[in-house]
Amino acid sequence: GAGVSQSPSNKVTEKGKDVELRCDPISGHTALYWYRQSLGQGLEFLIYFQGNSAPDKSGLPSDRFSAERTGGSVSTLTIQRTQQEDSAVYLCASSLMTGGNTIYFGEGSWLTVV
Amino acid sequence: SQQGEEDPQALSIQEGENATMNCSYKTSINNLQWYRQNSGRGLVHLILIRSNEREKHSGRLRVTLDTSKKSSSLLITASRAADTASYFCAVPQGGSEKLVFGKGTKLTVNP
Repeated sequence: GAGVSQSPSNKVTEKGKDVELRCDPISGHTALYWYRQSLGQGLEFLIYFQGNSAPDKSGLPSDRFSAERTGGSVSTLTIQRTQQEDSAVYLCASSLMTGGNTIYFGEGSWLTVV
Repeated sequence: SQQGEEDPQALSIQEGENATMNCSYKTSINNLQWYRQNSGRGLVHLILIRSNEREKHSGRLRVTLDTSKKSSSLLITASRAADTASYFCAVPQGGSEKLVFGKGTKLTVNP
């Protein structure tokens, strides 16, 4: 596609429910990132996929968070048993390759846990 | 961690004035990037400067990099109300390509 596409753009869920957030990166981009941004804060790194290498999961805040990337393209971030502190904008980004390349962001998925 | 730290946290100026934002980081890098964010949504890439570059220009933007001081600055000249946004610097962490962002500088340009 023309840009990084994320869905849903907004999601309200009840505490304890599971949510899935989807990211469709730019076609041909081998690197894919997930970040989280709480209101008025900076970006918190969550997870990084690069080609067929094992993902860097070092930023996932708890075992309730997981992500996968199927076929080297679409990625899904899953949050199980959501908590109110999970409320944030979840931003996905992709880049053509590593080595100091520009990363392109989607518009984010705003998650509200009530 | 290798997180870039922007300074100041917030900056308010009048249209036409110049805006300068700074970024400091902790360890050696091979590049540093600046991004802009409107309204808490997706970030837009502004400029990338490599470790062997000292200054780079793009339109009204000027970025400097001082690797000896581990710092970078972003200068926006002749600011406009449309420049109102948050600005973030990002650096690769360790030997990986994982980009780590600072908390950003919130710039307000008053008409």
